[in-house]
Amino acid sequence: EAGVAQSPRYKIIEKRQSVAFWCNPISGHATLYWYQQILGQGPKLLIQFQNNGVVDDSQLPKDRFSAERLKGVDSTLKIQPAKLEDSAVYLCASRERGFDTEAFFGQGTRLTVV
Amino acid sequence: AQSVTQLGSHVSVSEGALVLLRCNYSSSVPPYLFWYVQYPNQGLQLLLKYTSAATLVKGINGFEAEFKKSETSFHLTKPSAHMSDAAEYFCACSGAGGTSYGKLTFGQGTILTVHP
Repeated sequence: EAGVAQSPRYKIIEKRQSVAFWCNPISGHATLYWYQQILGQGPKLLIQFQNNGVVDDSQLPKDRFSAERLKGVDSTLKIQPAKLEDSAVYLCASRERGFDTEAFFGQGTRLTVV
Repeated sequence: AQSVTQLGSHVSVSEGALVLLRCNYSSSVPPYLFWYVQYPNQGLQLLLKYTSAATLVKGINGFEAEFKKSETSFHLTKPSAHMSDAAEYFCACSGAGGTSYGKLTFGQGTILTVHP
């Protein structure tokens, strides 16, 4: 079974630039999550999708972050414009269903904003 | 709202010693609880999960955890540490109803160091 694929693995941008991350979840997984993991901290949920609908985006900074999951499969997370404090690892995870199954994680995208 | 607290951001043990990583949760509905491990530059990998079938849960690599509702705890243990156990460990809580449905909330993590 193929895992969760994320790209790129690393990205360095200047502040005020824009950046996009891509995630391809495990086939058939209805739930998709984007997390932000700042060095030394636990993953912080940014947005949760169920199929192509948003379930929870309460911690997504909507003035600069956006995410979509077209056709309930792949997902893209965008930051525009980036700030220094956005430097983090962005993790994508998918789950077969909502609450009791294992969430599978991609390797993450390490973003450095300079 | 649900939350997870991991006591101790760093734990250091000798090889062969007992490993104990502490996790307490707060949830308004019966939670599902998970322990994940993260190696450097890797994503998170599931160690074990509690989904109400049994309070003592066995996972991979010799780890186990016990769900104690009265203490709202889900501590992770391993009888004998191995050098390869050195990593960061995260406790997570998943809601089964209401506004927490499917929401997977993580603690702040505990870095385990194993000394020879």
